[in-house]
Order: sequence, then C-alpha cells, then structure tokens
Amino acid sequence: AQSVTQLDSHVSVSEGTPVLLRCNYSSSYSPSLFWYVQHPNKGLQLLLKYTSAATLVKGINGFEAEFKKSETSFHLTKPSAHMSDAAEYFCVVSPNQAGTALIFGKGTTLSVSS
Amino acid sequence: GAVVSQHPSWVICKSGTSVKIECRSLDFQATTMFWYRQFPKQSLMLMATSNEGSKATYEQGVEKDKFLINHASLTLSTLTVTSAHPEDSSFYICSARDGRGEYFGPGTRLTVT
Repeated sequence: AQSVTQLDSHVSVSEGTPVLLRCNYSSSYSPSLFWYVQHPNKGLQLLLKYTSAATLVKGINGFEAEFKKSETSFHLTKPSAHMSDAAEYFCVVSPNQAGTALIFGKGTTLSVSS
Repeated sequence: GAVVSQHPSWVICKSGTSVKIECRSLDFQATTMFWYRQFPKQSLMLMATSNEGSKATYEQGVEKDKFLINHASLTLSTLTVTSAHPEDSSFYICSARDGRGEYFGPGTRLTVT
C-alpha cells in the first residue's frame, strides 16, 4: 500500500527566508511523487514531479525537492520565500497503476510574513 | 497543452435541486477522469474514478445515486449532484489523465442554500 504524510500542517516563514515543507511517503515499489500548490479558491498547480530520473527535482517559481529513498522523504524547499508563495501545498504519490487515483497528503499551509 | 476546464466555476442552487458540473480535457483525450471533493482547509478527497463508456467506480462512503457521473467521451465527464442539500456545498475538482500525466481542472464552487 502507498501513503504520504506531510509532517507539518502549518509552516510560517518571513519573506526572504528559506522554506522547507516536509513529506514522507510509503511505497512498496518505486513511486512517482509530486508537489502541488493551491492558492485560495483556486485549482491545483503542479510545482514539480519526480519520476525516477534525477533525485533533485527543480520546479517552477524557484522550488525544488529531493527524493531520498533511504529516508523515504520528498521535502520541498525554496531558498527565499516571497509573499506570493503563501498557499496550501500538497505532497502527492502516484501508485503508477492504470486507473488508480493519486494519493494526496493532508496539505501544509505556508504563511509568509513581511 | 494538457488543459482541463470545468464549468461552471461557481454555482449557487436551492436545496432539493440538481446541479451538473462538466469537466473537459480541451487538447487531449483522457483515458481516465477523477472527481474530488475538497472541504475548506482540507485535502482533496477522491469521490470516484471514471473511464469513458463504463460505469464510474465510487469510493467508499460516496453515494452513487446522489453523485451521478457520466463519462460520455474521452474529453468529457459530468458530475450531477442530485437533490442537493447544504451539506453538499463544497469545492469540486476534476482531473484528467493520459499517458503523459494527470491534469487538474480549476474547480467548481458549489453553494447550496
């Protein structure tokens, strides 16, 4: 069975400081992993995805994530937060099986203060 | 490419009426479409998996007679909330999948008064 755990429900940072959103996964085989962002009352936007290529994945808006198999982690980072980064972030794992839905984490709310 | 639209983007209806939400893959054909529901400040909850031309597969606890899903073509799936009640008020999101990946619609805000 596969699952994903976002370790923090809420993260608060100051503008210009680094962002770290933590995600651990459980998978019986090599997963595909994603990070999505959702701004209030908006749909989901894909930030980045890991699909068994390079373990350090670069995404949009300066975000990146590193797949660490030994730690079963896929943490999302950004060197310097912007006010516009304030949103809900979801770590997602794909079972990689036809017709099987993605598995969503519970989400992490990122707040950015000036 | 890979754009998914939803219509309407928001709808207000009276209790007891039915509402239809459309999900379209605009520039690709989707082998599978998914319907999710999202309550405020919560994650997405999968409601059902839909394949073109076949009956949708509903998740446990989702009433199939209340949430009717029709997947008439490889580019269109519809979700009809029948006899809506205020507790059905929510944000409904669809996604469409092809061989390249899965793509999400912008969501539909349903408010039942």
